[in-house]
Amino acid sequence: EAQVTQNPRYLITVTGKKLTVTCSQNMNHEYMSWYRQDPGLGLRQIYYSMNVEVTDKGDVPEGYKVSRKEKRNFPLILESPSPNQTSLYFCASNTNNSPLHFGNGTRLTVT
Amino acid sequence: GDSVTQMEGPVTLSEEAFLTINCTYTATGYPSLFWYVQYPGEGLQLLLKATKADDKGSNKGFEATYRKETTSFHLEKGSVQVSDSAVYFCALRTLDSNYQLIWGAGTKLIIKP
Repeated sequence: EAQVTQNPRYLITVTGKKLTVTCSQNMNHEYMSWYRQDPGLGLRQIYYSMNVEVTDKGDVPEGYKVSRKEKRNFPLILESPSPNQTSLYFCASNTNNSPLHFGNGTRLTVT
Repeated sequence: GDSVTQMEGPVTLSEEAFLTINCTYTATGYPSLFWYVQYPGEGLQLLLKATKADDKGSNKGFEATYRKETTSFHLEKGSVQVSDSAVYFCALRTLDSNYQLIWGAGTKLIIKP
């Protein structure tokens, strides 16, 4: 089954404790991206990747890192999380001719 | 820059009512237009799309027509059901955007039985 898998679904952490949210897709898509969703602000893109070892900043990249060492994986790294990064995060993948396929989301709370 | 504007929600309707969610856009060139839907607790999924002017996208009883003259892509459904309760996002993609989408803020739809 074609899917984008994010882990974990829920995460509660404290300020400054490094964390990684994993994302994996099994569709051999070139493009992968990370979004955060906040009430009243819709979806905002954090980072995207056009292929292995190619990443670029989205609209709100501050405080986040990504890597694309393999085509299927695109982890989101928060080196020093802060409370303003409390949000719902989505990973997505696509090709240039396909719609975005989204994961089911990761709800992060930073206290 | 390119942008998408959606009507603010929440939109609350009774079952079997007619639905319209407005979406207008600003873009250089000729964008492709999309509606995505997010059901509670899930990620977004594509509802319908249109890639050129006057195209009509349709799926699950929903329709939207790409109107270049009014730069709009309004979502409509003739008779909504409780199961249509979700958040609806309008989005556009241009060739200049590296295949990334530009999103509207989303419109929450609540259908009451």
